[in-house]
Formats: sequence, C-alpha cells, structure tokens
Amino acid sequence: GPKVLQIPSHQIIDMGQMVTLNCDPVSNHLYFYWYKQILGQQMEFLVNFYNGKVMEKSKLFKDQFSVERPDGSYFTLKIQPTALEDSAVYFCASSLGRISNERLFFGHGTKLSVL
Amino acid sequence: QQKVQQSPESLSVPEGGMASLNCTSSDRNFQYFWWYRQHSGEGPKALMSIFSDGDKKEGRFTAHLNKASLHVSLHIRDSQPSDSALYFCAVSESPGGNYKPTFGKGTSLVVHP
Repeated sequence: GPKVLQIPSHQIIDMGQMVTLNCDPVSNHLYFYWYKQILGQQMEFLVNFYNGKVMEKSKLFKDQFSVERPDGSYFTLKIQPTALEDSAVYFCASSLGRISNERLFFGHGTKLSVL
Repeated sequence: QQKVQQSPESLSVPEGGMASLNCTSSDRNFQYFWWYRQHSGEGPKALMSIFSDGDKKEGRFTAHLNKASLHVSLHIRDSQPSDSALYFCAVSESPGGNYKPTFGKGTSLVVHP
C-alpha cells in the first residue's frame, strides 16, 4: 500500500542544536501532518500543512518549530534550538484530502533523543 | 479535559477470544471516528472508520457507534497474537473544518497463546 518514508529513523543530538526531520509523503497526497508521541503513548497533533502553508498548529508547536515543503522535496520539521523536552518520536502523516473520512497514512517515525 | 477518552488502558485476551475496546468523544463537534493500530516500532495504521449509528463489520473487526452518547466500540473476534498492539481511537470534526484528527491515549492489547 501507500507508504510514507521518514528519515532518519533515529537522531541523537545535543540540547541547543538544530535538527531537521524529513518526510516523504505518499506521492499524490495533498495534506501533511506532524504528530508527537512520548513513551509510546498518546499521539499529539503538532501541525498540518497544505498548499505550502501551515493550516493549524497546536500549543505543542513551539516558536522553535517550523515546517516547510520546498517543491518536490521532503516535508520537513525543523527544531531550532532543541530542548530536552523535545525528546520523543515524531510521526509524519499524509492524506489525500481533508474531509473527515480520510485516513491518515503514517511513517514509521523518527525517534529524537536530545541530550 | 481530554477530548477523546479510551478504555481500558490495557487488555489481555487469550488467542481466539474476543477483545472489546471503548472510545468516547467529549465534544459533540467531534463525531467522526477512526480506529488505528500501532505495532511496536511502527507508525499507526488505519483499521476502519465509522460515521453512522450502528455496526460496521470488516473481517474480524466490528465497530459500533452510538452518536447520541458519542461512544464507539471496537470488537475483535477470534483474536490472534498478531493483533497485539496499541489501538487508538481518533476523532475529527464534521466535514468542512480543518482536518486534524485528535487521538486518544490508546488501549494496549496483548493476545496471549
């Protein structure tokens, strides 16, 4: 089936450094999302993105976070600078549209460890 | 308050048994439900959706929605060890709003041989 690829699978960085998480969404999908999961528990919505713009961001989407998708390239989540509480697994997802019966397709996640 | 409540937090059933998971939305604007399943080390994968009152069956999985109480259940018949995973309920608003499914805290299911 359709796949979302996330690179890298694991990233270890020192607090204060910048990190970029990369996502290759399903090819014909138009809507992109980032979710954060801590300790294998609840999936928390961070942000969604369409047509080059942020649609909505949650309170977890701090000022240090940014997203973009330059034409034909990865959908990225950048954190600059990182903090200890940013340690989590970040999941990218995509959907064809944005109506309520759309399923999200998730990648395998990037585990971010901030030391 | 959590918009989506799931119960139980964890569940253990024998192979071949029935697993029953519950989910309730606390916001009447959020009444479109999806069930996702996440195996260890992977991302969540959509199992099935339910938007209308009543039952919806897909193979061994049956979802039941009561819109009046905004309660949905998922029943897994003839549970297999491969069904062991974290199950999420996700809810979203009526069509037309900004689509950002809200996930519950999940139910951890273990199917033991």
